[in-house]
Formats: sequence, structure tokens, C-alpha cells
Amino acid sequence: GENVEQHPSTLSVQEGDSAVIKCTYSDSASNYFPWYKQELGKRPQLIIDIRSNVGEKKDQRIAVTLNKTAKHFSLHITETQPEDSAVYFCAAGNDMRFGAGTRLTVKP
Amino acid sequence: EAQVTQNPRYLITVTGKKLTVTCSQNMNHEYMSWYRQDPGLGLRQIYYSMNVEVTDKGDVPEGYKVSRKEKRNFPLILESPSPNQTSLYFCASRTSGGVGRLGMRQYFGPGTRLLVL
Repeated sequence: GENVEQHPSTLSVQEGDSAVIKCTYSDSASNYFPWYKQELGKRPQLIIDIRSNVGEKKDQRIAVTLNKTAKHFSLHITETQPEDSAVYFCAAGNDMRFGAGTRLTVKP
Repeated sequence: EAQVTQNPRYLITVTGKKLTVTCSQNMNHEYMSWYRQDPGLGLRQIYYSMNVEVTDKGDVPEGYKVSRKEKRNFPLILESPSPNQTSLYFCASRTSGGVGRLGMRQYFGPGTRLLVL
């Protein structure tokens, strides 16, 4: 089955800086790569996703890049704001395996 | 409104007392799954179901059972709960994937926080 690794486990940035979270996966047949944001006490919410036929996708301040050859994909958040503070999860594989999560803290 | 619901939201029980956590979705999704979330371990899949009467083990199935008699419902059963099953549980659903831009988007329920004493 799919194995997903996510780094870093914690990330602290100053407001306005960029944040990058990276995930690697093992199954070359995986073709869908979502990112979820989970605020304290709440359910994970999809924030952006990408399919394997696309290398990059952007939605306002967030973007996801995919390198199928290297089997990794990354979440990029620009101009970070305190409300971006949360735990972020990547996932991959038809059975939707999740990374261990990254706790992002944006300091005002 | 499209949604996934879980009940109960909070549960305190004792070791060995059978319990069921219900999950229901109103989006006619084929695929449903259960995850548990523990600090530092992310979301680990317990069981999943690709359609009615089709279920399979995820990464951490020990101590759990599921059933899928109807498309909309996917209950999680703990026959004899133990303290190591204290966790936050999420049910999720999505279409089976393949064609369609939204084919793989997964929707989560609100979560069930379980404490086993």
C-alpha cells in the first residue's frame, strides 16, 4: 500500500513570510494528492488538491506542486497570516493514506 | 446540505463495554472510511468500504469491526473497548474515484472523541 511521509512536523514562521510543507509518497500509481487543514477541535478541511496530470495548482495564497518523477508534492503558503496557524495534512493513494501532519504556527 | 454525521460526538466508557459509533452521509458516496487520530500520528485508517457489503482493513483494524448494509451508513463497532482505543475518530466519505473532477474529494464527519477507562 501507499506510504506517505510529511516534513517538517512543526513549522514556525513570522506573519507575512512563506511556509512550505513537503510530502513524499511511495506508490507511483497514486494520482490524487490533497492537502487538508485542521484547526483545533475541528475536522480536517480540504484546502487544495492536485491530480497527477498537473504539475502545479494555485488558489490565492496557497499552491501545491507535484513532482511525479521524484514522488513528492509540496504545499506553499505565501503571505502567511495568524489564521493560517493549524495542523496541515497531506494524503495520497487511492485508499487515501495521510501524512503525520505539520503544525504550522504563524507569529504576529 | 451535503454532510457526514457521526454520533455520539463524545463518549466515556469502561473497558469491555461494547459500543457503536454511527456514521451517515447524504451524498450517495460509494466509498466510506474510518480513521483514528492520535497526537503525532496523523490520521490512520481503521477500515474502509468501497460499496455496500464491501469492507476491508486499513492500517489499524485490530479491535474494531464495521458493517456496510446500506450505502449511507457505516458504523464502527468496538466489541470490547480497551484504553488504547482512547482516541479521536473520524468518519469520511467520497465517490469511488476515477472520472470527474470531484471524484476523489473526501468529506469528514465532525469527529467522535472516545475515552475508555
